Amino acid sequence: EAQVTQNPRYLITVTGKKLTVTCSQNMNHEYMSWYRQDPGLGLRQIYYSMNVEVTDKGDVPEGYKVSRKEKRNFPLILESPSPNQTSLYFCASSRDRGLGGYTFGSGTRLTVV
Amino acid sequence: RKEVEQDPGPFNVPEGATVAFNCTYSNSASQSFFWYRQDCRKEPKLLMSVYSSGNEDGRFTAQLNRASQYISLLIRDSKLSDSATYLCVVNGQNNDMRFGAGTRLTVKP
Repeated sequence: EAQVTQNPRYLITVTGKKLTVTCSQNMNHEYMSWYRQDPGLGLRQIYYSMNVEVTDKGDVPEGYKVSRKEKRNFPLILESPSPNQTSLYFCASSRDRGLGGYTFGSGTRLTVV
Repeated sequence: RKEVEQDPGPFNVPEGATVAFNCTYSNSASQSFFWYRQDCRKEPKLLMSVYSSGNEDGRFTAQLNRASQYISLLIRDSKLSDSATYLCVVNGQNNDMRFGAGTRLTVKP
């Protein structure tokens, strides 16, 4: 089954404790992206990747890092999480930068206390 | 002004009703338009693309008005299972996808 797998689904952590949210897709998509979703603001892009070793900032990259060492994986790293990073995070992949539609992961609900 | 704007709702309609949502966008050069559906606390899923000539998929009809820079989604004969948030998506100036904040629909028995 074609899918994007995100882990974990839920995470509660403390300020400053580094964490990684994993994302993996099995569709051989070149384009992958991370979004955060906050009430009233819609999905905002954090980082995206056009292909292996090619990443770029989205609209809200501050406080986040990503890497794309393999085509299927695109982890999101929070080096020093802060409470304003409490949000619902989605990873998405697409063959063509979303122009043909995204496939989203199930989401990660992160709470930073 | 936001790049993509939607009425947040909620729209509360009875089963069987027809309901329509609009979404306005600011980038006059946008070429790609979509509606996604998002159930509570779940991932968005592509509902339908929006073509220049308008398109229909069962009870759902999507239309594009380039002159006024809006797209619309019409749902006929609403079902309880249509209750969800509907996200409007438009490609932005850098050809990335821009999401509206969503319109919440509740269909009641």
